[in-house]
Amino acid sequence: GDSVTQMEGPVTLSEEAFLTINCTYTATGYPSLFWYVQYPGEGLQLLLKATKADDKGSNKGFEATYRKETTSFHLEKGSVQVSDSAVYFCALILIQGAQKLVFGQGTRLTINP
Amino acid sequence: DAGVIQSPRHEVTEMGQEVTLRCKPISGHDYLFWYRQTMMRGLELLIYFNNNVPIDDSGMPEDRFSAKMPNASFSTLKIQPSEPRDSAVYFCASSFRGEQFFGPGTRLTVL
Repeated sequence: GDSVTQMEGPVTLSEEAFLTINCTYTATGYPSLFWYVQYPGEGLQLLLKATKADDKGSNKGFEATYRKETTSFHLEKGSVQVSDSAVYFCALILIQGAQKLVFGQGTRLTINP
Repeated sequence: DAGVIQSPRHEVTEMGQEVTLRCKPISGHDYLFWYRQTMMRGLELLIYFNNNVPIDDSGMPEDRFSAKMPNASFSTLKIQPSEPRDSAVYFCASSFRGEQFFGPGTRLTVL
């Protein structure tokens, strides 16, 4: 079945460090890929997305590139801030299938000043 | 648009009581999803609707849980009777063409 596997957390970094959160997927069709972020006490918000191979999604300094050959969608940011502390979820949806997101387990990120 | 609206934001009840959670999706969205989030089990999809019709309720944990969507602008998730293990944050989300928009959640505590 379709699935998403994320890097195990929690991840703790210092401010201005480089961030990578790994995400790989398995899909029977052609998925669109998403990163959602959940700040403490809030619902999930869409951070970025990519709908086809080699697309790069970007937002708020975060980037992720849809790599079909490695079935990956790793999240990166060049210089993290304390305000980036949150839980990050990788997810996919099949373009031709049911309109439900398949989520990874989430990665908790803490940025220390 | 105000986004997805959920009520109440917090609910504290005693075991055995009925609990009803409410959701108003974004106008024009044709899919509505109910999720549950706990530390132990993470984010779980309970049920989702398309054009007010339930499509997949395989995530509903047991018969104590039920969900309805009487019209395009309102859905409820009911737990009867509630149990302490139902304590969680319940999220509603709506979508149109893939991207889901989440509500702020209802934090349920069953004593």
